[in-house]
Amino acid sequence: SQQGEEDPQALSIQEGENATMNCSYKTSINNLQWYRQNSGRGLVHLILIRSNEREKHSGRLRVTLDTSKKSSSLLITASRAADTASYFCATDRGGGNTPLVFGKGTRLSVIA
Amino acid sequence: NAGVTQTPKFQVLKTGQSMTLQCAQDMNHNSMYWYRQDPGMGLRLIYYSASEGTTDKGEVPNGYNVSRLNKREFSLRLESAAPSQTSVYFCASSEQNNQPQHFGDGTRLSIL
Repeated sequence: SQQGEEDPQALSIQEGENATMNCSYKTSINNLQWYRQNSGRGLVHLILIRSNEREKHSGRLRVTLDTSKKSSSLLITASRAADTASYFCATDRGGGNTPLVFGKGTRLSVIA
Repeated sequence: NAGVTQTPKFQVLKTGQSMTLQCAQDMNHNSMYWYRQDPGMGLRLIYYSASEGTTDKGEVPNGYNVSRLNKREFSLRLESAAPSQTSVYFCASSEQNNQPQHFGDGTRLSIL
């Protein structure tokens, strides 16, 4: 069963614009993670935010977490064509040693 | 540093044939995972191994078996391949179950 759901399913923007993707989840969590997948490749971990954190930055990435709404957002600022990829959120189930559950992803296209 | 290595990268099977997908990691991770990725379905967990000597079913285990051969290696076996098992298979590893995962580049499997 799906724990995290990304929104939108697909997003197309111009180079230089900001891209925002959202993730909603159902149960309590210890942490939430974002991954990127380039076409034909495996997923790459981008950032992890713990349940007691509200915001985290990494380069051009900004992740927020609202545990009261069970939602997270990933903001990519000043997007580049190389940011074109699918982005997935993944959550644990808050129960300790349980594997992550991945959403279906948002496909981002950045047009040069 | 190779990370997670999957073999083979591509395979075509006939219905009823068997095969084993190999995965090895060189990061001394405790946990390893097998996923399948189908269009529109995101990543679905087939089996995982939280630590050497243990394996557990994921979301879609039917038709598959796994072996945690040692801490480095985790194999996935299809005993009697079916067309519904046509997919891209990813192996991943992490230090613990809810920690960031490192992915291989996948095995593209077609069953005719």
